[in-house]
Amino acid sequence: DSGVTQTPKHLITATGQRVTLRCSPRSGDLSVYWYQQSLDQGLQFLIQYYNGEERAKGNILERFSAQQFPDLHSELNLSSLELGDSALYFCASSAGGGADYGYTFGSGTRLTVV
Amino acid sequence: DQQVKQNSPSLSVQEGRISILNCDYTNSMFDYFLWYKKYPAEGPTFLISISSIKDKNEDGRFTVFLNKSAKHLSLHIVPSQPGDSAVYFCAATGGFGNEKLTFGTGTRLTIIP
Repeated sequence: DSGVTQTPKHLITATGQRVTLRCSPRSGDLSVYWYQQSLDQGLQFLIQYYNGEERAKGNILERFSAQQFPDLHSELNLSSLELGDSALYFCASSAGGGADYGYTFGSGTRLTVV
Repeated sequence: DQQVKQNSPSLSVQEGRISILNCDYTNSMFDYFLWYKKYPAEGPTFLISISSIKDKNEDGRFTVFLNKSAKHLSLHIVPSQPGDSAVYFCAATGGFGNEKLTFGTGTRLTIIP
């Protein structure tokens, strides 16, 4: 157990639908990062939150949004889903403030859009 | 624009020999580099890292070498063990204020018993 919890582990949904992925960071970590891994690809950075505020944005589609709540858990919302959104979605957390604090990844949510 | 590249999608090594995984980067603002190991259906697991002020970092069987002038780093695993079979990702970050990790596409390492 890495300490980063992602739910659900698996999700199957239809095109056009909306889903919410949840991430609970490791205790004490202030930063949450979301990554997408499509088939045979590397992990693509989507977005980072630090202590409730958006800190960095990657190639996140406008159909996707995220937030971090006061208890530091984060949710990634994916809407108007398309077949191409099928992927593994990983959440990572860190204490924040730089790489020296280390990043810990959750086990991911596998999203399948049919 | 692939800022972190792992040009070998796969590598097979005999058990007990040295495994060498390579990574190249293009962004000179990167100042911290990490290697992650990933098994199927699991999240990446941190292996070893190196700051740009160093050229080598060692942790047990794992050593990472950084050549800043060539924008190249490598991970050496000695001796290789069957449990090392996994996908290895190289990642880079710009440090404070730019903490996101930029990942390579990964190298699948297979250790042959």
